[in-house]
Amino acid sequence: RKEVEQDPGPFNVPEGATVAFNCTYSNSASQSFFWYRQDCRKEPKLLMSVYSSGNEDGRFTAQLNRASQYISLLIRDSKLSDSATYLCVVTFYNTDKLIFGTGTRLQVFP
Amino acid sequence: EAGVTQFPSHSVIEKGQTVTLRCDPISGHDNLYWYRRVMGKEIKFLLHFVKESKQDESGMPNNRFLAERTGGTYSTLKVQPAELEDSGVYFCASSYGVEQFFGPGTRLTVL
Repeated sequence: RKEVEQDPGPFNVPEGATVAFNCTYSNSASQSFFWYRQDCRKEPKLLMSVYSSGNEDGRFTAQLNRASQYISLLIRDSKLSDSATYLCVVTFYNTDKLIFGTGTRLQVFP
Repeated sequence: EAGVTQFPSHSVIEKGQTVTLRCDPISGHDNLYWYRRVMGKEIKFLLHFVKESKQDESGMPNNRFLAERTGGTYSTLKVQPAELEDSGVYFCASSYGVEQFFGPGTRLTVL
């Protein structure tokens, strides 16, 4: 079983739509949680950290459910520039190494 | 401020040859990481330096891979001898705090 599981997509949505991605992780000792964004043939870039209380950054909202070992990302009012692969990432206690999911591809069309 | 840089951007070699990848972290970042993405799979951790010391090398696949960070600045990752399954994109990342900043990667193709 993979340590971080994501639906690979692709999710094809029109501009202005709301889209949600989900992610599950297998290790209950996971400590930190992130969403990274990766454009085609580019490097991953941190989109946002995910906190138990939930957090929002503009059109992006991230949620964490430790009991269910589940992380989500909600994008409101999708823009063409949101088209990318969204990577769910966790770390374990007392280590810096990032554990990546395979990513969910989003394509926003006009 | 310059980001993480990697060289070369692409490398095509034959099985059995040696390749050395280089990573220059963001200035002042003590932490340096190597990751790899093979086709169709997720990005996987290889190892972590703190300055010149190897903090965690649990992700290194086998002894054909050798990473160094002499002087605690840039790092090299040598693959010798390369095998077909080593093909993929090798990312380097550096950090000062929690956020890891990734370089553009080196795309390695082993024929």
